[in-house]
Amino acid sequence: AQSVSQHNHHVILSEAASLELGCNYSYGGTVNLFWYVQYPGQHLQLLLKYFSGDPLVKGIKGFEAEFIKSKFSFNLRKPSVQWSDTAEYFCAVNRNTGGFKTIFGAGTRLFVKA
Amino acid sequence: GAVVSQHPSRVICKSGTSVKIECRSLDFQATTMFWYRQFPKKSLMLMATSNEGSKATYEQGVEKDKFLINHASLTLSTLTVTSAHPEDSSFYICSALRQGGYEQYFGPGTRLTVT
Repeated sequence: AQSVSQHNHHVILSEAASLELGCNYSYGGTVNLFWYVQYPGQHLQLLLKYFSGDPLVKGIKGFEAEFIKSKFSFNLRKPSVQWSDTAEYFCAVNRNTGGFKTIFGAGTRLFVKA
Repeated sequence: GAVVSQHPSRVICKSGTSVKIECRSLDFQATTMFWYRQFPKKSLMLMATSNEGSKATYEQGVEKDKFLINHASLTLSTLTVTSAHPEDSSFYICSALRQGGYEQYFGPGTRLTVT
């Protein structure tokens, strides 16, 4: 079965530290990849997405992610986090063959200390 | 931008009653809408996929008679939790897929509490 794994469930960083959140998926076909963010009390927002082309994707708020097909990975990065980045981050994968379905990872809760 | 709304944002109901949650795509047409359930400190669990004008496709383990989904138009899908139990208390989130697109737009969620 298709699955998405996020390696870190909780991450605590100080401001200005660098961030990398791991995401691996199990599906071998052509996929679309997403990172969503959920700030406290708010709904899911799209951070960035990869459909095709340059495997290094830049999103909003200084986030980027790199698609490495050989590793089935789509890790999220930010060089210098801010207190306002405190949120929960979800990696998601979908495909549009055999029915459209998005599978979400378990989420990583990031807390940035001021 | 693509905006998806949900109504109500919060609802409290008594055991045994039914509650309806609406999901609307405000500025685009959505042939497909999805209903998710989010447990505390957990990820989103896909409950069902609804296509306009046809029956919803439910995920394994989701009771279709308990969670009734209707997608009557290209901008509206509803989820009705029938004969609610306290264990149905959760955060329900809908999302909509723009016609011809691959990106889902999420609603703000509805917190259901069954007493």
